[in-house]
Amino acid sequence: DVKVTQSSRYLVKRTGEKVFLECVQDMDHENMFWYRQDPGLGLRLIYFSYDVKMKEKGDIPEGYSVSREKKERFSLILESASTNQTSMYLCASSLWGANEKLFFGSGTQLSVL
Amino acid sequence: GDSVTQMEGPVTLSEEAFLTINCTYTATGYPSLFWYVQYPGEGLQLLLKATKADDKGSNKGFEATYRKETTSFHLEKGSVQVSDSAVYFCALGKEGATNKLIFGTGTLLAVQP
Repeated sequence: DVKVTQSSRYLVKRTGEKVFLECVQDMDHENMFWYRQDPGLGLRLIYFSYDVKMKEKGDIPEGYSVSREKKERFSLILESASTNQTSMYLCASSLWGANEKLFFGSGTQLSVL
Repeated sequence: GDSVTQMEGPVTLSEEAFLTINCTYTATGYPSLFWYVQYPGEGLQLLLKATKADDKGSNKGFEATYRKETTSFHLEKGSVQVSDSAVYFCALGKEGATNKLIFGTGTLLAVQP
């Protein structure tokens, strides 16, 4: 089975801290995604990567950056965490190809105090 | 822009009841449509999909038919079980091999014994 692993289930940080969320997939998928999930808003795409060192902004990239130095790993970076970034963050991966299903990690619940 | 609208929850049903969760979409062209499910404490997983008009996706007793004339993709199940309690997300995909999806806000289903 494909496994998408997010490094932390719960994370508490302070305003202004630099935060790294890590995601690793074990099935050689080309595409990787970072979404945030908020009640009443569903999932919103933050960033997307289709290859090593390649990235595209999603719908809500402000305040975030990403890094993909190896195919299996996709990191989300909050340069200076703010309280409005308190959320559930979901990483996903998929093969390159139309209508391939996304495989999701279990999520990281980030609280910024 | 493209969007997905789902009925608001929570939806509370008794075991063996009939389930419908409404989903409508706005998109140009010919999107693919998906239902993802999120069980408590887990990431999302694909439940079913349909890639063209009049296609029916089905899995685990759930069904949804891609209706272009009504821009809808309603999820149905004839007899729900307690184990179906979860959050259900409708999503559309347009960008082919990138598999970027636009998600609805999610509908919480609670099934009581």
